[in-house]
Amino acid sequence: SQQGEEDPQALSIQEGENATMNCSYKTSINNLQWYRQNSGRGLVHLILIRSNEREKHSGRLRVTLDTSKKSSSLLITASRAADTASYFCATVAIQGAQKLVFGQGTRLTINP
Amino acid sequence: DAMVIQNPRYQVTQFGKPVTLSCSQTLNHNVMYWYQQKSSQAPKLLFHYYDKDFNNEADTPDNFQSRRPNTSFCFLDIRSPGLGDAAMYLCATSTRQISSDTQYFGPGTRLTVL
Repeated sequence: SQQGEEDPQALSIQEGENATMNCSYKTSINNLQWYRQNSGRGLVHLILIRSNEREKHSGRLRVTLDTSKKSSSLLITASRAADTASYFCATVAIQGAQKLVFGQGTRLTINP
Repeated sequence: DAMVIQNPRYQVTQFGKPVTLSCSQTLNHNVMYWYQQKSSQAPKLLFHYYDKDFNNEADTPDNFQSRRPNTSFCFLDIRSPGLGDAAMYLCATSTRQISSDTQYFGPGTRLTVL
């Protein structure tokens, strides 16, 4: 299965701290994307990193990709209560069906 | 603002009673997707349309059907809902079938089956 696995499944930190979430996958990918989902809502795209990229930044977000280890991490710096949500990585494989396959997600809670 | 809209946000149906969920988009995107997401799980792709071309996932039950009458609208029909079909249903769009681009999601419809 191409499906990614995310680690940890749940993370609880204090406001102002940094949050790191990891994603591992099994097949060679075209790109990897991170999405955020507030409780009971749709998903919002955060960042896309292509297989030939190693790191990408967007505001307080930093994503790294290590294709040799088939893993990615999402770092949120200076967390805020509003960052509380579930975060999903999603991959698009190089071969086979060109579709987005989501990991199980990390539930992030930021305590004020 | 350009967006993906899903109606209704909450839908309650009875076991075996057909139900239709709707999705509309003002983004003029070629591709529309339907995902099923059960509690604390990853979204699971049911099918997608590339323009009028329908693409069903191999493991999507026959109970689930879809229609796309025009670029803007896409419907998910559940012919005979079972208790196991209770879930959040997410509609998404993208510009191209090859998922190198961002997918834009609607807010979802939460389906309850009594």
